[in-house]
Amino acid sequence: DSGVTQTPKHLITATGQRVTLRCSPRSGDLSVYWYQQSLDQGLQFLIQYYNGEERAKGNILERFSAQQFPDLHSELNLSSLELGDSALYFCASSASDRSAHYGYTFGSGTRLTVV
Amino acid sequence: AQSVSQHNHHVILSEAASLELGCNYSYGGTVNLFWYVQYPGQHLQLLLKYFSGDPLVKGIKGFEAEFIKSKFSFNLRKPSVQWSDTAEYFCAVLFCGNKLVFGAGTILRVKS
Repeated sequence: DSGVTQTPKHLITATGQRVTLRCSPRSGDLSVYWYQQSLDQGLQFLIQYYNGEERAKGNILERFSAQQFPDLHSELNLSSLELGDSALYFCASSASDRSAHYGYTFGSGTRLTVV
Repeated sequence: AQSVSQHNHHVILSEAASLELGCNYSYGGTVNLFWYVQYPGQHLQLLLKYFSGDPLVKGIKGFEAEFIKSKFSFNLRKPSVQWSDTAEYFCAVLFCGNKLVFGAGTILRVKS
């Protein structure tokens, strides 16, 4: 157990639907990062939040959004889902921006299957 | 653009063979470098990291990596692989700022 908790572990949904993925960072970590891992794109950085505020944005589609709540957990919302959104979505955390060079701690991921 | 390249997508080795996985990155400034491993069905775990000092870094499970600044490289090595090293290995670079950029990954299969 890495200390980063992601729920649910698996999600199957239909095209056009909306889902919410949840991440609780490791205790004491303020930064949360979302990554998408697919066979064709590899590991792609989506977005980072630090202490409730968006800090960096990567290859995140407009149909996707995220937020970090006061208790520091984060949610990634995926809407108007397409077959190509099927992937493993990882959340990672680090203590702060300045400690990111120590490495991130990753959760076990949520496997999303869009049918 | 900031990018990370891993040379091989699939590597198959026999047990006790030596391993070297290549990683190059595009940026010429100060970077922090990482190797992560993802065992089948598991989350990404940090193998080793470099951010300053001795360019030869030792990590867990007998892995090591060498940072060669002039070549923008951070290759991962292990003198003798085991069946349990079967996994996917990701090189990652923290460029200026705090966005960790990953390479495409190398799937290592060790035959027993």
